Amino acid sequence: QKEVEQNSGPLSVPEGAIASLNCTYSDRGSQSFFWYRQYSGKSPELIMFIYSNGDKEDGRFTAQLNKASQYVSLLIRDSQPSDSATYLCAVFSSASKIIFGSGTRLSIRP
Amino acid sequence: DGGITQSPKYLFRKEGQNVTLSCEQNLNHDAMYWYRQDPGQGLRLIYYSQIVNDFQKGDIAEGYSVSREKKESFPLTVTSAQKNPTAFYLCASSPPTGSTSTDTQYFGPGTRLTVL
Repeated sequence: QKEVEQNSGPLSVPEGAIASLNCTYSDRGSQSFFWYRQYSGKSPELIMFIYSNGDKEDGRFTAQLNKASQYVSLLIRDSQPSDSATYLCAVFSSASKIIFGSGTRLSIRP
Repeated sequence: DGGITQSPKYLFRKEGQNVTLSCEQNLNHDAMYWYRQDPGQGLRLIYYSQIVNDFQKGDIAEGYSVSREKKESFPLTVTSAQKNPTAFYLCASSPPTGSTSTDTQYFGPGTRLTVL
């Protein structure tokens, strides 16, 4: 089992709809969770971090964390073509290391 | 203008050559990291450094070397011992211990290395 798992996609969502990206992790002692956006050929850009169970909202983005289920998700409301990118989930583990998932490729279709 | 810079943006290496990738930050971050990313893959940790003059191997350190002589700089050397070095190399750094986001990593723009 991978330490951080994401569906590789591509996930295709119509413009204006909600895109839902999911991530599971294996280390129950993990404390911090991050979502990065990576455009093709570019470096990852931090878009959200969450530490506590529940939802955290920032503009069109909402991160959701459920530590009991070891599950973190990212919702993107009112999806735009500029949201088309690969989204990397990252987890700060109990071993004080950040572990990255392989990413989910998101495509917003006009 | 604070940030993390990497140079060069593109690098071509001949078989058997050592090459050094530069990473500089002026964010006063303590920790710095090197990752490798292959097409369609996640990030794999090569080396990391929590303080000056100290660094640790990551998951794929073989064929690579680093130094941390200054807080601002963390160069990575890809040696001839690295058999498959063609990849996208990313440098990252984290805020100082004691800050509210000490475990958050911020990335430089990357260096794309190709072996000819």
